[in-house]
Amino acid sequence: GESVGLHLPTLSVQEGDNSIINCAYSNSASDYFIWYKQESGKGPQFIIDIRSNMDKRQGQRVTVLLNKTVKHLSLQIAATQPGDSAVYFCAEFLGGGTPLVFGKGTRLSVIA
Amino acid sequence: DSGVTQTPKHLITATGQRVTLRCSPRSGDLSVYWYQQSLDQGLQFLIQYYNGEERAKGNILERFSAQQFPDLHSELNLSSLELGDSALYFCASSVEASGGIYEQYFGPGTRLTVT
Repeated sequence: GESVGLHLPTLSVQEGDNSIINCAYSNSASDYFIWYKQESGKGPQFIIDIRSNMDKRQGQRVTVLLNKTVKHLSLQIAATQPGDSAVYFCAEFLGGGTPLVFGKGTRLSVIA
Repeated sequence: DSGVTQTPKHLITATGQRVTLRCSPRSGDLSVYWYQQSLDQGLQFLIQYYNGEERAKGNILERFSAQQFPDLHSELNLSSLELGDSALYFCASSVEASGGIYEQYFGPGTRLTVT
């Protein structure tokens, strides 16, 4: 997309199918995690968050799963739509004044 | 629309020059964050201000500086520009500095091209 042109892994999904985007985070002490969506020409937009004391959180058509044992986060999008095409970033937060640390991102491409 | 505004939207300048990027946070947000997004690096945190004071520093070059003014808008100054500084620069704002967890709202970004 025009917004980033990043050299990213790409996930291609058929419209209507479910999407799973994965993220490995770096710090086992991270306290809070956010998924952001970045559409072409726009800034990142908050999708859903999860605290480290949870392993699952659901939103509208999205679910975030957290596996602290292997430091893995996933974003599941149900019934993927063309409007879901974007770059998705996970971000981790250590707390105590530290900034968010963003992952590399995954480009989701929805095939109509 | 996140409520965070950034100007200019696009900026083209030559190597060695200096530019200033401007950000206005959402109404009521005291924290401002600056990020650089380049082809190979993804979103890199540069610096955070909270109510006019520097709060956290990331991978910000010495050629770069920022400040937050009493009206809470922020400016990112980039000097002695190099080709590698070409990137998208995002500003984000949030209500609180840290401790509590607050969502960051991102602006639309400024695309800087150094030729």
